[in-house]
Amino acid sequence: DVKVTQSSRYLVKRTGEKVFLECVQDMDHENMFWYRQDPGLGLRLIYFSYDVKMKEKGDIPEGYSVSREKKERFSLILESASTNQTSMYLCASSLWDPLSSNQPQHFGDGTRLSIL
Amino acid sequence: KNEVEQSPQNLTAQEGEFITINCSYSVGISALHWLQQHPGGGIVSLFMLSSGKKKHGRLIATINIQEKHSSLHITASHPRDSAVYICAVKGKKTSYDKVIFGPGTSLSVIP
Repeated sequence: DVKVTQSSRYLVKRTGEKVFLECVQDMDHENMFWYRQDPGLGLRLIYFSYDVKMKEKGDIPEGYSVSREKKERFSLILESASTNQTSMYLCASSLWDPLSSNQPQHFGDGTRLSIL
Repeated sequence: KNEVEQSPQNLTAQEGEFITINCSYSVGISALHWLQQHPGGGIVSLFMLSSGKKKHGRLIATINIQEKHSSLHITASHPRDSAVYICAVKGKKTSYDKVIFGPGTSLSVIP
């Protein structure tokens, strides 16, 4: 079974702090994703990566950056946390299939981040 | 208008009832994905389909490409089915591996 592990289930930080959310997958997946989930808005893509050191902006990249130095690890960084970044953050990974991009995404358990 | 919509938004059912959750989308897609999210946040993939019907245990998913509509059915519902069910589509014109998520349907099954 694919295991996607997020470093924290709950995290409380203060405005202006630099925040790191870590995600690790153990199935050698090429693709990794960071989403945030807010009531009434569903899941929204922040950034994704399809290879080491490669990244692409999603729908709401503002205020975030990412790092993919190793294939199994994808980090989400809040450079200067703000209260509107209080949310549930979900990491996912998927296999890259050259014949079809329809590989399912496997999700972590989420990190509930509160910015005070 | 959202590209992926679900109905109902909230659903309460008695244990044993047959449940249907609907998903409609407005973009051309290459595949549709049903996901389940339990309280606490973890998301589990239930089905990925691009045509016809798939069945797994008490869960059945159908898709009608012409009508741009999919349904998730749960037979003999059980309290452990209580969760948020999310429909997601992989659009044909979206960027690399981008998925568009619906808002979710919150299901509560009462014993």
